[in-house]
Amino acid sequence: NAGVTQTPKFRILKIGQSMTLQCTQDMNHNYMYWYRQDPGMGLKLIYYSVGAGITDKGEVPNGYNVSRSTTEDFPLRLELAAPSQTSVYFCATRQGAYGYTFGSGTRLTVV
Amino acid sequence: AQSVTQLDSHVSVSEGTPVLLRCNYSSSYSPSLFWYVQHPNKGLQLLLKYTSAATLVKGINGFEAEFKKSETSFHLTKPSAHMSDAAEYFCVVRPYNTDKLIFGTGTRLQVFP
Repeated sequence: NAGVTQTPKFRILKIGQSMTLQCTQDMNHNYMYWYRQDPGMGLKLIYYSVGAGITDKGEVPNGYNVSRSTTEDFPLRLELAAPSQTSVYFCATRQGAYGYTFGSGTRLTVV
Repeated sequence: AQSVTQLDSHVSVSEGTPVLLRCNYSSSYSPSLFWYVQHPNKGLQLLLKYTSAATLVKGINGFEAEFKKSETSFHLTKPSAHMSDAAEYFCVVRPYNTDKLIFGTGTRLQVFP
């Protein structure tokens, strides 16, 4: 049982490039989330989804896009990378009221 | 507005001594509260959660936390630190009737032999 799988684990982007961070889960959880973690800070919510075909903005959505075509996958898209998007990105799922499961993160550097 | 304050950014203890990581929260109604641990280059692992049942919550690896409504606190404790406890710890609040998690800024725990 893999849980929440994020790829890639590390990536360096140049300013203006685009990329997609992948998140896949095999637990059949409806709720999925994308967070970013900046140095010395807690996690901040970028986008979330309550089920396939439904997404909504979190606290810090600017510069990102998401889609949720299946229950399993919740990719996060950066269209024009900026240095301010240098961060560690975590995908998470939720089952029931309190059962959050986090992936191991993607460390992104924009130079 | 709901918020979480972790009162110490760094805590250092010797192996075998008690651990206290402090957390205060602000929430307009009865929240759910969590403690997560993050080891270097790893994801977040749930240590324990408070969901309006018993105020003293026991978690994994010998950790526990007490919900004190009068003090709006949810401090994390462990009687005896182990080297493997060295990590970053996050206090998290989920306000009542929302799906949002609000993270504290984290406390880095160092354990010396």
